[in-house]
Amino acid sequence: DAKTTQPPSMDCAEGRAANLPCNHSTISGNEYVYWYRQIHSQGPQYIIHGLKNNETNEMASLIITEDRKSSTLILPHATLRDTAVYYCIVSPGGFKTIFGAGTRLFVKA
Amino acid sequence: NAGVTQTPKFQVLKTGQSMTLQCAQDMNHEYMSWYRQDPGMGLRLIHYSVGAGITDQGEVPNGYNVSRSTTEDFPLRLLSAAPSQTSVYFCASRITGFGNTIYFGEGSWLTVV
Repeated sequence: DAKTTQPPSMDCAEGRAANLPCNHSTISGNEYVYWYRQIHSQGPQYIIHGLKNNETNEMASLIITEDRKSSTLILPHATLRDTAVYYCIVSPGGFKTIFGAGTRLFVKA
Repeated sequence: NAGVTQTPKFQVLKTGQSMTLQCAQDMNHEYMSWYRQDPGMGLRLIHYSVGAGITDQGEVPNGYNVSRSTTEDFPLRLLSAAPSQTSVYFCASRITGFGNTIYFGEGSWLTVV
């Protein structure tokens, strides 16, 4: 599985968009980009995934660059409940899904 | 639909004791895995399985055993608990193949004293 690089922490004001970057320069053609988040010590929760097109669902948007070497998760209107650790994972749907350290997002009132 | 169920939720062990963390899923997922998460850290893969009878090691397999006799169950065994195994353990499952998401259990908090 390709490795990812994320900033260790970010701040965002409540009501503003949170843009979380992820670098995955060694991604290969059949690998998807997934985003999960973990609130407190709960089990990680799936947010969104994509292969090469931008994706949007009720939780977030995923923007993948044309060369697929980086992506950005966008939470359009962050709330205090979005404070969590966000993990970017690159996986072909493979078996050894490796999580990195993620980005700790602090949403401030 | 229960999803991924882990038991027990909390456990305290003495050094040298053995125990089994149970994980069951009712979604007929082929792929199951165990992660551990130490305080302030990300998840690390311990063992995984791609189907009944097939298991393999992840990033941190030492001190843990697994088996997969059925599609539904994937227990994690600690053979001789050590304080370094104090952690939160998460079981996960998904359908194999491209573009499929992982479902996690709620975690098992283990303290080894």
